[in-house]
Amino acid sequence: SQKIEQNSEALNIQEGKTATLTCNYTNYSPAYLQWYRQDPGRGPVFLLLIRENEKEKRKERLKVTFDTTLKQSLFHITASQPADSATYLCAPTGNQFYFGTGTSLTVIP
Amino acid sequence: DTAVSQTPKYLVTQMGNDKSIKCEQNLGHDTMYWYKQDSKKFLKIMFSYNNKELIINETVPNRFSPKSPDKAHLNLHINSLELGDSAVYFCASSLLGAGGPEAFFGQGTRLTVV
Repeated sequence: SQKIEQNSEALNIQEGKTATLTCNYTNYSPAYLQWYRQDPGRGPVFLLLIRENEKEKRKERLKVTFDTTLKQSLFHITASQPADSATYLCAPTGNQFYFGTGTSLTVIP
Repeated sequence: DTAVSQTPKYLVTQMGNDKSIKCEQNLGHDTMYWYKQDSKKFLKIMFSYNNKELIINETVPNRFSPKSPDKAHLNLHINSLELGDSAVYFCASSLLGAGGPEAFFGQGTRLTVV
């Protein structure tokens, strides 16, 4: 069965630094890889989607890479701010919508 | 206008009861989902449904059943509730095959079984 792992359950970084989150998956060949943000008490909110034939996607301070050979996606937040503190979920998506284990990011002022 | 709405937001009930959670989307999406998020915050898919196919996660007990009266609604019925069913349940919807399966989520229903 498919397995989706995200690096460290919790990540703390200083404000202004770049946060890098990792998503690794096995036994799966997704057509897309998506990233979502979840704040406490709320549902996940879509951030970015990258297709299997794309290497990199950017949106404002966010950057996503997708390596189908390594079966890995990296999610970067540059110039991080305390407001970026949240849980980030990856979702390699094919016929079904499976989410990773999530990484809780805390940006320290 | 709320894109995906769930009711109720909180549900406290006794073991053995039967309950339903309602979900409605006004986005014109063709696929809806139910997810369970446990105390460890892991988001696990329970069902996905479009007007052609219901896909059930094989680990979901048959006490759980989705009911879709129309394309905009996917309700979740739970029979004989157990303590382990306590969790937050999220409904979501997406439009497959048209630019990407970006999903929109409801605000969640916190179910507590006592």
